[in-house]
Amino acid sequence: DAKTTQPNSMESNEEEPVHLPCNHSTISGTDYIHWYRQLPSQGPEYVIHGLTSNVNNRMASLAIAEDRKSSTLILHRATLRDAAVYYCILRDGNRDDKIIFGKGTRLHILP
Amino acid sequence: ETGVTQTPRHLVMGMTNKKSLKCEQHLGHNAMYWYKQSAKKPLELMFVYNFKEQTENNSVPSRFSPECPNSSHLFLHLHTLQPEDSALYLCASSQAAGTTFYGYTFGSGTRLTVV
Repeated sequence: DAKTTQPNSMESNEEEPVHLPCNHSTISGTDYIHWYRQLPSQGPEYVIHGLTSNVNNRMASLAIAEDRKSSTLILHRATLRDAAVYYCILRDGNRDDKIIFGKGTRLHILP
Repeated sequence: ETGVTQTPRHLVMGMTNKKSLKCEQHLGHNAMYWYKQSAKKPLELMFVYNFKEQTENNSVPSRFSPECPNSSHLFLHLHTLQPEDSALYLCASSQAAGTTFYGYTFGSGTRLTVV
């Protein structure tokens, strides 16, 4: 299975943009890049996903490198409620792949 | 509320007890999952059900017994657990395999403590 590498933790100031990196150098052509986040005392929630093109939704933006070996989740204006563990996950779009979680990045937001 | 409801939210049980965790969704999803989240460890996939049929058992000990009577309900029956089984048990649902994209919707979990 293709793996992802994320920093263990990051800090950001409230109301500033946050860029969460993810490396996936062994990504295959049919792997989608998914992001989930887990707020304290809750189950994970879907954030965004993409294949090749950059993606935007109401929660975040996903910037995918041209060679697809890395991607960045962008929170445009962090709030205290964005403090969570963020998971970058690869999922083969052609197979019956399950969501397999790594350790993720723990994001701390400073007021 | 995410649309996936887990009960109870907290459970304390002795090693000789038998208890069950319940998961319910009315999102129209046909796949359901059990995950285990222990302290300091990533989420571990335990079981997968597609259209009520178990399609994956990730080498889970037999003291954990899942049941999926229909596509909306999933149970995890517990018996003779060990203290190391104490964890957050999370249920998730999604559209069944074979669709192009299906995000997972998770419940808030059951915090289990085995004493």
